Amino acid sequence: AQSVTQLDSQVPVFEEAPVELRCNYSSSVSVYLFWYVQYPNQGLQLLLKYLSGSTLVKGINGFEAEFNKSQTSFHLRKPSVHISDTAEYFCAVSFTGNQFYFGTGTSLTVIP
Amino acid sequence: DAGVIQSPRHEVTEMGQEVTLRCKPISGHNSLFWYRQTMMRGLELLIYFNNNVPIDDSGMPEDRFSAKMPNASFSTLKIQPSEPRDSAVYFCASSSTGRNEQFFGPGTRLTVL
Repeated sequence: AQSVTQLDSQVPVFEEAPVELRCNYSSSVSVYLFWYVQYPNQGLQLLLKYLSGSTLVKGINGFEAEFNKSQTSFHLRKPSVHISDTAEYFCAVSFTGNQFYFGTGTSLTVIP
Repeated sequence: DAGVIQSPRHEVTEMGQEVTLRCKPISGHNSLFWYRQTMMRGLELLIYFNNNVPIDDSGMPEDRFSAKMPNASFSTLKIQPSEPRDSAVYFCASSSTGRNEQFFGPGTRLTVL
């Protein structure tokens, strides 16, 4: 069975500070990994995805994530956050590329 | 590309009424997913279709919920009768085989009084 754990439900961070949102997964087979962002009153939008190859994945809006197979993690990072990054962030896994399993989400609040 | 289209965007109804949510997937996509999002339970997969056929409906909460996909460009999620605990945001998403990404619609915010 697959599961996704987002360890932090809420992350407050000051503007221009770095941030890391944590995601761990459990799976007995190879997986595809994703981060989605949800702005208030909107649907989910893909930030980045890991399918294979380089373990460091770069996405939109300056975000990046690193796949660590030994630690079964896929943490999301940004070196300097903006007010506009305030949103809900979801980690997801899939082993078929079709059906996704989402984490419970992390609410990122950027403080001016 | 218009993206995934959902209607209505907001629905307010009274307990016991029938509610129908609609989704138009991105043209050419062959998989469609219905999710429900609440504060308490987060994002839950209700059902997904592949080539218009329901593949996994294990997430449908009970018999009051039903979903159909009569053709590749349209799907409905129906709740009959509705209850206050059904209040949530319902998302539709679509994808295509080999694309490894789901595209989400803007959601329907359902309030059952």
